[in-house]
Amino acid sequence: RKEVEQDPGPFNVPEGATVAFNCTYSNSASQSFFWYRQDCRKEPKLLMSVYSSGNEDGRFTAQLNRASQYISLLIRDSKLSDSATYLCAVGPTNDYKLSFGAGTTVTVRA
Amino acid sequence: SAVISQKPSRDICQRGTSLTIQCQVDSQVTMMFWYRQQPGQSLTLIATANQGSEATYESGFVIDKFPISRPNLTFSTLTVSNMSPEDSSIYLCSVVGQYQETQYFGPGTRLLVL
Repeated sequence: RKEVEQDPGPFNVPEGATVAFNCTYSNSASQSFFWYRQDCRKEPKLLMSVYSSGNEDGRFTAQLNRASQYISLLIRDSKLSDSATYLCAVGPTNDYKLSFGAGTTVTVRA
Repeated sequence: SAVISQKPSRDICQRGTSLTIQCQVDSQVTMMFWYRQQPGQSLTLIATANQGSEATYESGFVIDKFPISRPNLTFSTLTVSNMSPEDSSIYLCSVVGQYQETQYFGPGTRLLVL
């Protein structure tokens, strides 16, 4: 079983729609959780951290469910510019090392 | 966040040769890592670059194939040795800066081995 698994998608949604997807992790002792965004032929860029209480940054909401060992990302009012691959990253320990999922591709169409 | 640069940005190499990739940061950072991202795949951690000592390699990666140096807190190199077409990939360095909670990535080096 992979350490971090994501639904690869693609999620193809119209502008203005809400899209949500999950990422599961296998190590119950994982300490830190993040969502990165990767555009085609670019490096991953940090989108947001995921905190136990859930957190929101504008149109983006991230949640952590420790009991079921998954994190989620919800994008409201999707924009064309939200089209990208979203990578979840999980830190099994507190040494800053991360395990990445394979990514969920989101395409927002006009 | 820190500004991270990598050289070269891309290269095409012949099998059996070696390529050294440089990662330069504009400020001192706590941690530096090297990743590989093969086409259509996610990021795989190669090693943690330790300042002034040998890198810490992940399972499946060895020093003879991927020697790493980190002479100071702002610079690291990764060498891909005795390359084969299977080494064709994007190689990325990442850093954790002081007072940061997670990794930030350099722009990557696209390597094609013929």
